Amino acid sequence: QTVVTQEPSFSVSPGGTVTLTCGLSSGSVSTSYYPSWYQQTPSQAPRTLIYSTNTRSSGVPDRFSGSILGNKAALTITGAQADDESDYYCMLYMGSGISVFGGGTKLTVL
Amino acid sequence: QLQLQESGPGLVKPSETLSLTCTVSGGSITSSNIYWAWIRQAPGKGLEWIGSIYYDGSAYYNPSLKSRVTISVDTSKGQFSLKLSSVTAADAAVYYCARHSGGTYQVFDCWGQGTLITVSS
Repeated sequence: QTVVTQEPSFSVSPGGTVTLTCGLSSGSVSTSYYPSWYQQTPSQAPRTLIYSTNTRSSGVPDRFSGSILGNKAALTITGAQADDESDYYCMLYMGSGISVFGGGTKLTVL
Repeated sequence: QLQLQESGPGLVKPSETLSLTCTVSGGSITSSNIYWAWIRQAPGKGLEWIGSIYYDGSAYYNPSLKSRVTISVDTSKGQFSLKLSSVTAADAAVYYCARHSGGTYQVFDCWGQGTLITVSS
């Protein structure tokens, strides 16, 4: 069974730039997987940030951007702010109606 | 503004069937290329896709849960439902319903607030 991989944790300084990645246990992530990204703070429902690799959802600031870097999908936060401290999940569409989330990355801003 | 709201018993006994309903308001449950999904999150764990259904009843399930899951849709009520049979403590989680935009989007782009399900006798 294919596993979607994410860094368990990451830290960034306020105002800094951080790139979180989303890979596959076997193979490379491409735009054909329609990578999407979600932000979740404790006790809240996830918030959709990015879909179709690099399209920002309505209301999402442009300091959040998505891309393919090498063989992984990537979420880059430019000019990190304190309230970006959250859990971030990627999701890949595997085809045949199957969606798989990564394990999530806990981002600390300090 | 599309809104989704989960409802159902918050406590389920082991070996019984968990039943939840999601009510869709502010939008049509029969929109083209829109699926309706259930996603769960065990305490302290990540998100897990359970399954998605189209308004015509065609459904897709997480292979790891497929033997125990049924998702159905009632277009007349603007609702879709989840049944998960033979629950154990491992099924305790916050259960979210979400809009799943398909086609070239493949994104969960509107979420309910979630409902906590406890499994206990």
